[in-house]
Amino acid sequence: DAGVTQSPTHLIKTRGQQVTLRCSPISGHKSVSWYQQVLGQGPQFIFQYYEKEERGRGNFPDRFSARQFPNYSSELNVNALLLGDSALYLCASSLVLAGGGEQFFGPGTRLTVL
Amino acid sequence: GQSLEQPSEVTAVEGAIVQINCTYQTSGFYGLSWYQQHDGGAPTFLSYNGLDGLEETGRFSSFLSRSDSYGYLLLQELQMKDSASYFCAVRSNQAGTALIFGKGTTLSVSS
Repeated sequence: DAGVTQSPTHLIKTRGQQVTLRCSPISGHKSVSWYQQVLGQGPQFIFQYYEKEERGRGNFPDRFSARQFPNYSSELNVNALLLGDSALYLCASSLVLAGGGEQFFGPGTRLTVL
Repeated sequence: GQSLEQPSEVTAVEGAIVQINCTYQTSGFYGLSWYQQHDGGAPTFLSYNGLDGLEETGRFSSFLSRSDSYGYLLLQELQMKDSASYFCAVRSNQAGTALIFGKGTTLSVSS
């Protein structure tokens, strides 16, 4: 079975631009979460979606938005990019909304903002 | 808020045993998880403790004491491939299964 997939793998943007990152969860997984990981830090929670509804949001500005589609894939959008948005963006899927903490992570999208 | 503390670095030699500690602060607790991340890779799930005690999975074990807000990951018979970052995590109060991670512990295993 395919794991979580993300696209693109790498992306270079300039300040002020907008970016869209994509994620496909493991087949059958209805929950998708997005995380930002800055070098040397742990992943930081951005959003969680379940059954196409936002179920949680971390402490990120409104420049960050996301959505989940009927096939459970998801997009993360970031507007008005800042240098500090440079990071690895991880998508994780899980079978259910609650449970034992196991999430399955994709390989991430490395975003560089110049 | 929610926060986790873990050592930033640990070094060990092949065949040794190493323990990575994690203390947490959270207003609602739903268990402690551990993830491994190799350089350039995705975090992968290692273990979960929902109740006090020890969970064993092969060479790795994880322990939880809810009264002490403390847990640890124990890695035995260390191998070079265990060199990676290890993160403890608790479920977020803000969303279902979303996780709040510690800053990670970099484990370096030498021969």
